[in-house]
Amino acid sequence: AQSVAQPEDQVNVAEGNPLTVKCTYSVSGNPYLFWYVQYPNRGLQFLLKYITGDNLVKGSYGFEAEFNKSQTSFHLKKPSALVSDSALYFCAVRDFDTGGFKTIFGAGTRLFVKA
Amino acid sequence: DGGITQSPKYLFRKEGQNVTLSCEQNLNHDAMYWYRQDPGQGLRLIYYSQIVNDFQKGDIAEGYSVSREKKESFPLTVTSAQKNPTAFYLCASIGTSGGSSCNEQFFGPGTRLTVL
Repeated sequence: AQSVAQPEDQVNVAEGNPLTVKCTYSVSGNPYLFWYVQYPNRGLQFLLKYITGDNLVKGSYGFEAEFNKSQTSFHLKKPSALVSDSALYFCAVRDFDTGGFKTIFGAGTRLFVKA
Repeated sequence: DGGITQSPKYLFRKEGQNVTLSCEQNLNHDAMYWYRQDPGQGLRLIYYSQIVNDFQKGDIAEGYSVSREKKESFPLTVTSAQKNPTAFYLCASIGTSGGSSCNEQFFGPGTRLTVL
């Protein structure tokens, strides 16, 4: 079965410092991986995705993620955090066990950026 | 602007009542989804529809029903059979151009349902 795990419920970082939000996955084939962000009482917004190609994927708002096949990870990173980055972040993987129409989401990691 | 709209934003229901949550998209997407979000948990799939007049149960379909009579609309009914319906409900869609597997989901702003 395909799955995705976010090992940290919460990440705290000071403004201006680099941030990392961790994600690991388990799939039976090539993974299609996604990161989304959710602000309070809002829907999710797409940040970036890895389908194929370069292991370093760049996305919206200065975020990037590194795909590591050997470690089955897809960590979200940003070189310099902003207070406005504080939000709930979800890692997700496309579920090909059910034909590719479903997405499996991690439990989410809450990011707090302190000024 | 293209996007997904959900209404109402907040909804209060008495126990034993059915209630319908609206989801409309003007993105011309074929696939649409309903998720439930509870505090501290990820998104759980209730129902999804790949095409008009067709839909499939997700992981937590019991106590919910849907219809897909039009491409743009995918309403969700929370029935009295749903034992714990208080949650944040999110609607989403995926474009199928280039293959839906590669595409990201677009989400609506959500409806917060509270059962009194």
